[in-house]
Amino acid sequence: QKEVEQDPGPLSVPEGAIVSLNCTYSNSAFQYFMWYRQYSRKGPELLMYTYSSGNKEDGRFTAQVDKSSKYISLFIRDSQPSDSATYLCAIGDNAGKSTFGDGTTLTVKP
Amino acid sequence: ETGVTQTPRHLVMGMTNKKSLKCEQHLGHNAMYWYKQSAKKPLELMFVYSLEERVENNSVPSRFSPECPNSSHLFLHLHTLQPEDSALYLCASSQDLRDNEQYFGPGTRLTVT
Repeated sequence: QKEVEQDPGPLSVPEGAIVSLNCTYSNSAFQYFMWYRQYSRKGPELLMYTYSSGNKEDGRFTAQVDKSSKYISLFIRDSQPSDSATYLCAIGDNAGKSTFGDGTTLTVKP
Repeated sequence: ETGVTQTPRHLVMGMTNKKSLKCEQHLGHNAMYWYKQSAKKPLELMFVYSLEERVENNSVPSRFSPECPNSSHLFLHLHTLQPEDSALYLCASSQDLRDNEQYFGPGTRLTVT
């Protein structure tokens, strides 16, 4: 079993839709939760970082963590074509080691 | 220059060549990382450096040889690679080893022929 499982996608939605991206993890030692966005031919860009259960909001993006279920989500409201990218979840431990999901490719159609 | 830069952005090399990838971070970070990203696979951590000292080598074949001359620069020396080594090689940095917030460079797209 992988330590981090990410919904594989790909995902295609119309502009303006609400997008939900999801990951589960198996190791309760993981304490830090990140979402990265990776555009084609670019490196991953840190989008959201949190270390507690609950919601963290940044503009149209909301990161949700449920430690009891070992489940994290990224919600994108009012999705835009510019949100089209691959989204990577990453889970980190106290030693600074991050384990990445496989990524979900999102396409937002105008 | 800001953030993390990598050169070259694209590299094609034969199996008998020797080449080097370069990474430079302008963030004042103390930890640097090399990752390999292949199609339909998660990011694979290759090497970790903290204050120029290698702290992790994730069973990477010896045909990949990292070098960290100072906390701002990281190299990956390549020799006698195999076609399956073709991938996107990403460099990242973080404030220190215990910091999970990593900042990535644009990557070097490597093709081994």
